Amino acid sequence: SQQGEEDPQALSIQEGENATMNCSYKTSINNLQWYRQNSGRGLVHLILIRSNEREKHSGRLRVTLDTSKKSSSLLITASRAADTASYFCAISSQGGSEKLVFGKGTKLTVNP
Amino acid sequence: EPEVTQTPSHQVTQMGQEVILRCVPISNHLYFYWYRQILGQKVEFLVSFYNNEISEKSEIFDDQFSVERPDGSNFTLKIRSTKLEDSAMYFCASNSVGSPLHFGNGTRLTVT
Repeated sequence: SQQGEEDPQALSIQEGENATMNCSYKTSINNLQWYRQNSGRGLVHLILIRSNEREKHSGRLRVTLDTSKKSSSLLITASRAADTASYFCAISSQGGSEKLVFGKGTKLTVNP
Repeated sequence: EPEVTQTPSHQVTQMGQEVILRCVPISNHLYFYWYRQILGQKVEFLVSFYNNEISEKSEIFDDQFSVERPDGSNFTLKIRSTKLEDSAMYFCASNSVGSPLHFGNGTRLTVT
């Protein structure tokens, strides 16, 4: 299976703390993407990192990619209660058609 | 900001019935997708659609499933004879070349 696998499955932190979620995969990739899903809602794209990139930032988000270890991490700094959601990594092995393979997700709870 | 819209938000149907799930992708997007998420599980790719034809489909997308873009704005997923195991959230997504996917909020399909 080429799917991404996140860990931990669940993470509970206090507001203001940093949250780190990891994703591992098995195949070569074109890019890796992180999505967020609030309960019962659709997926919202957060950040995309290409296979030739090692780190990317967007606001309070920092994503790293290590293609030698086939792993990525998503760091959310200074977390807020509104960051409570499930976070999924998704890998794209092909350019063009975005058949994404999603992991099972990390359920993040940020306590006020 | 333009968004992908899906209707209905919740569909209840009896086993063996046909259902049609509807989506309006973002207007200037060229690639369209259906994904599904069984409760508590990962998001799974079903099918991608480009230039009025299926470009890729998964093993899940068997002969019971079909997609159509009937009028240049809607993108539909039809399940001919629903089974209990078809109960899931179905997400439509669209994108343009090289851009991340934009997902709708999903249709919750319940097969009884």
